[in-house]
Amino acid sequence: GEDVEQSLFLSVREGDSSVINCTYTDSSSTYLYWYKQEPGAGLQLLTYIFSNMDMKQDQRLTVLLNKKDKHLSLRIADTQTGDSAIYFCAEKNSSASKIIFGSGTRLSIRP
Amino acid sequence: DTEVTQTPKHLVMGMTNKKSLKCEQHMGHRAMYWYKQKAKKPPELMFVYSYEKLSINESVPSRFSPECPNSSLLNLHLHALQPEDSALYLCASSQEGQYQETQYFGPGTRLLVL
Repeated sequence: GEDVEQSLFLSVREGDSSVINCTYTDSSSTYLYWYKQEPGAGLQLLTYIFSNMDMKQDQRLTVLLNKKDKHLSLRIADTQTGDSAIYFCAEKNSSASKIIFGSGTRLSIRP
Repeated sequence: DTEVTQTPKHLVMGMTNKKSLKCEQHMGHRAMYWYKQKAKKPPELMFVYSYEKLSINESVPSRFSPECPNSSLLNLHLHALQPEDSALYLCASSQEGQYQETQYFGPGTRLLVL
């Protein structure tokens, strides 16, 4: 079945870049997403990438997709304290409405 | 406007109570979703409505009963819940429920069952 995996924790210094990694197993994934969840809040769609792209940039966010290795990453440039949250990688099954989420990576920022 | 609203924000209920969670969107989306999220876990899909018809039920117990009165509203009726049903309940919507669409999430209702 489909599976999405992420590391559970990442700690970075304020002002540095954060790179959150994700691997997935479904080769028919067509859309891949990054969601942000702040404590006590719902999910906020940060960005998404089509499987026929290998990179997408949106202000401080850069998404890289290696389709051959089924590896997705999210780079946050100039990480700020407001970036502290859980980041979920997710993929959309090509035959259904269901999104498969990873377990989430908790990003903490140190001064 | 990409907002999905949910009420209430917080809900505490006993195991014999009946309550409802509400979700609303005004983006003209025709697909709406209920997810359940336990602490430190990713969201799990419960139900999908497409054009006001239930299209996916992920084997959810019957004590959860969804309802889609119109294309902008989605309810989740709760009855005889168990303490293990305590979780964050998230609503989402997308354009038509096709696989390539982005889902937009509401802030969630945090439910505590005593």
